Amino acid sequence: NAGVTQTPKFRVLKTGQSMTLLCAQDMNHEYMYWYRQDPGMGLRLIHYSVGEGTTAKGEVPDGYNVSRLKKQNFLLGLESAAPSQTSVYFCASRLAGTYEQYFGPGTRLTVT
Amino acid sequence: KQEVTQIPAALSVPEGENLVLNCSFTDSAIYNLQWFRQDPGKGLTSLLLIQSSQREQTSGRLNASLDKSSGRSTLYIAASQPGDSATYLCAVCNTGNQFYFGTGTSLTVIP
Repeated sequence: NAGVTQTPKFRVLKTGQSMTLLCAQDMNHEYMYWYRQDPGMGLRLIHYSVGEGTTAKGEVPDGYNVSRLKKQNFLLGLESAAPSQTSVYFCASRLAGTYEQYFGPGTRLTVT
Repeated sequence: KQEVTQIPAALSVPEGENLVLNCSFTDSAIYNLQWFRQDPGKGLTSLLLIQSSQREQTSGRLNASLDKSSGRSTLYIAASQPGDSATYLCAVCNTGNQFYFGTGTSLTVIP
């Protein structure tokens, strides 16, 4: 099992550009999450999904969109990147009925 | 809104010492609390998960306790080793779906 994987690992964007981050899990987990981690702020939840075709907003959803078309994939989109979105983005997943989260290795995004 | 605080922000101890990391949260209506380890440049690894009905959980040299009524949890690490050097984060779940993280304690164990 690969667990939770994230693509890409690093990315540099210019202000106003768009991109999509891909999270994939092979554990048949129902729940998937996108977090951002900033120095001194801890991890903050952006969006999450409780199953295929469903998504919900987390603590800091503005400027991001998500889609969960397949159970194993959770995509995070930035339509018009801003320097404030410079961060490390983590994806996590968990099995319904349990609360242990499994994290991906992260994507380091820099917006200039 | 749930606020999670971890003190201290950084800790440096000599090898072999026992140590305690602290986590406090403002809303005691939680489902569970989880402790994670994060190595530099890596994702998070789950260490221990305590359900709201439990008082503590143990795994090897790690022991986590939970006092819901006072909004506190501690992570006890026995006989620390240089390989324990990492950032330790706690997270609470109080809606069943969303998790709130503390800012972490950066631990350095000196050989």
